[in-house]
Amino acid sequence: DTGVSQDPRHKITKRGQNVTFRCDPISEHNRLYWYRQTLGQGPEFLTYFQNEAQLEKSRLLSDRFSAERPKGSFSTLEIQRTEQGDSAMYLCASSRSGRWEETQYFGPGTRLLVL
Amino acid sequence: LAKTTQPISMDSYEGQEVNITCSHNNIATNDYITWYQQFPSQGPRFIIQGYKTKVTNEVASLFIPADRKSSTLSLPRVSLSDTAVYYCLVGVMNSGNTPLVFGKGTRLSVIA
Repeated sequence: DTGVSQDPRHKITKRGQNVTFRCDPISEHNRLYWYRQTLGQGPEFLTYFQNEAQLEKSRLLSDRFSAERPKGSFSTLEIQRTEQGDSAMYLCASSRSGRWEETQYFGPGTRLLVL
Repeated sequence: LAKTTQPISMDSYEGQEVNITCSHNNIATNDYITWYQQFPSQGPRFIIQGYKTKVTNEVASLFIPADRKSSTLSLPRVSLSDTAVYYCLVGVMNSGNTPLVFGKGTRLSVIA
C-alpha cells in the first residue's frame, strides 16, 4: 500500500454513460497525476495538478475527459459519454515537489469496462 | 525526454540474480533514472531511482555507468513473487510538468 487510494476499484458501465473516479493522494503530496493503461502497454500520462492548479491537460484523450482537484487534496477524473475504447485501467499517482528527483507513488487503479 | 529501450521479456530461475538493462542514449544532464515494478491489476510500484554510479536499497541495486547512456536494475536471488513487469523511465529533475513516459517494460518470469 503506497498511501494513494482510488475509488472505485472496478467499474462496469454501459456505453454512453458518464463515470467519475476518485483519487486520494498521500497527504503531504502536492502533485497529482492521472494515467491510463491498456492491456500490454505501459501507463499513458493524461493530466497533472500541482495543488489545485491543473498544469497540464493537453494529453487528455478527448474533450469527454475532464479532471478536477478543487481543494488541492483529492482529485476526480470524469469521462462523459463513455465509449468501448475507454475500457482501461485508470491510475492515479502523487508526488511532492521541491526535490531534485520526483518519485511518483501510484494507487491501485480503477479498472473500467464499458459494455 | 530520453527514449528508453529495454528487453521485452526475460526468464529466470528462482534464487538467481537478474539483471535488466535499459538503454537511454539521449539522456540529458538533468535527467534521472527510475525503475518501477508492476504486478497484474495493480499500480506500478517504485523500486529504485538514481542519477549516477550505484544505488542500493533493500529491494534492488541500480548501476549507472559514467556515460549514463544505460542503466541496469539488479534483483538479487529472485523468487516467484518477483514475476512482474519492470519499467525503466527517465525523468527530468525539478520538473513536475514533464510527464513520466512509460514504455512497454520488461516482463520478468521467474520459474521454480
